[in-house]
Amino acid sequence: DAKTTQPTSMDCAEGRAANLPCNHSTISGNEYVYWYRQIHSQGPQYIIHGLKNNETNEMASLIITEDRKSSTLILPHATLRDTAVYYCIVRVASTNAGKSTFGDGTTLTVKP
Amino acid sequence: NAGVTQTPKFRVLKTGQSMTLLCAQDMNHEYMYWYRQDPGMGLRLIHYSVGEGTTAKGEVPDGYNVSRLKKQNFLLGLESAAPSQTSVYFCASSYRGSSNQPQHFGDGTRLSIL
Repeated sequence: DAKTTQPTSMDCAEGRAANLPCNHSTISGNEYVYWYRQIHSQGPQYIIHGLKNNETNEMASLIITEDRKSSTLILPHATLRDTAVYYCIVRVASTNAGKSTFGDGTTLTVKP
Repeated sequence: NAGVTQTPKFRVLKTGQSMTLLCAQDMNHEYMYWYRQDPGMGLRLIHYSVGEGTTAKGEVPDGYNVSRLKKQNFLLGLESAAPSQTSVYFCASSYRGSSNQPQHFGDGTRLSIL
């Protein structure tokens, strides 16, 4: 399984963009990058995923480098409710039933 | 649309007792998963199922059993609870197990073993 490396914690000012980095240097060609977040011990919430191209949805944008060895999750206008633990996951290939390996994530604290 | 529902939400057991955690999903998903999360750590996969009647071991299966008798339900059993099994348990489901299908999680069951 491809491993991911994330900073342990980050701060962001309310209203500013939050940029959360993730390294996945051993990613395989058919593996997607997923981002989830977990707010205050609730169940993880799916945010976004991508393979090669940059992706955007109503919650966030995902920027994947051309060599696919790293990515950045962007929350364009962070609010206090975005304070959470953010997990970057490389989804294992379909032959492994789509199992996800969760690391320790990045604790994002949005400050007023 | 309820998504993934876990019952109970909280439970306290004594060492040696048994119990079953229930996960139900109403999204017609084929794949279901059980994870545990210990304080300050990420999620670890206990068991998973790729369809009705099938189950498989994950990363930390010891001390747990599972069953998938109906497509919408995935049960996690503790036959003889131990304090080391004190944790938060999350169930998840996905349409398929392919890399392009996100997992949807329940809100967890907080289990304490005394």
